[in-house]
Amino acid sequence: DTAVSQTPKYLVTQMGNDKSIKCEQNLGHDTMYWYKQDSKKFLKIMFSYNNKELIINETVPNRFSPKSPDKAHLNLHINSLELGDSAVYFCASSQGSGRDTQYFGPGTRLTVL
Amino acid sequence: AQSVTQPDIHITVSEGASLELRCNYSYGATPYLFWYVQSPGQGLQLLLKYFSGDTLVQGIKGFEAEFKRSQSSFNLRKPSVHWSDAAEYFCAIPIQGAQKLVFGQGTRLTINP
Repeated sequence: DTAVSQTPKYLVTQMGNDKSIKCEQNLGHDTMYWYKQDSKKFLKIMFSYNNKELIINETVPNRFSPKSPDKAHLNLHINSLELGDSAVYFCASSQGSGRDTQYFGPGTRLTVL
Repeated sequence: AQSVTQPDIHITVSEGASLELRCNYSYGATPYLFWYVQSPGQGLQLLLKYFSGDTLVQGIKGFEAEFKRSQSSFNLRKPSVHWSDAAEYFCAIPIQGAQKLVFGQGTRLTINP
C-alpha cells in the first residue's frame, strides 16, 4: 500500500496554463505539506495543513492555491504557470508537528514550456 | 536564525569505504535533528532522528549519526557503503515552534565501484 501518493508523476504544460496536482495519504496523519524542490535539489516548504486548516503559507505567489477537502487529501492548484514554476513538487504528511517524521510522496515533476 | 548547513555539496566514495556526511546546526536549545535520504527519482525517506538522550543514534540501512553539542554538529556515518547508497542526503531541523521543517542544501553521494 502506498502511504503518500501523488498524481500525476510528470506534468508538461505551456506557460499561462492552469494545472493541479493531487495528493492523498492513507496513514491517518493530521498534517500534510507541499514542498518545492528546485533544479539544485534545494527543498523548501510551501504550505502545511493540519486537519484541513492552513498552518503555514510561505511566501508563495497567489497563483498557488492549496485545497484540503479532508485530512487525507491536499491538492495544489497553480494558475497562470510560469517558466520558474518548473520544479519537482513533493507532498508529505506527518502525525502532528514538524518534530514528527514526515512521509513523502514520490514527487511530481512539473515542466513549463 | 535556526538552520542547518551541509558543507559538502557532492561526495564520492568507493564501495566498501566508510562515509561521513557533515551537518551543522544553528539553534539556541537542544534541537530535534533529522537525516533524510532521497534516492534518484523518489521522495525523501527518514534515515534517523535525534530528540534527546543518547547522542549516538542508529537508523535504517546501517546508518548512524552522532549529536555533538560542542561542535553544533549532527554528522551521518556508515562504516561500509554499498552502491545502493548513492543518493541525495538531507539534514533537517524543525523551526518556528516546530511548525515547519527546514532542510539543508543536501549532499549528493556518488559511489565508485
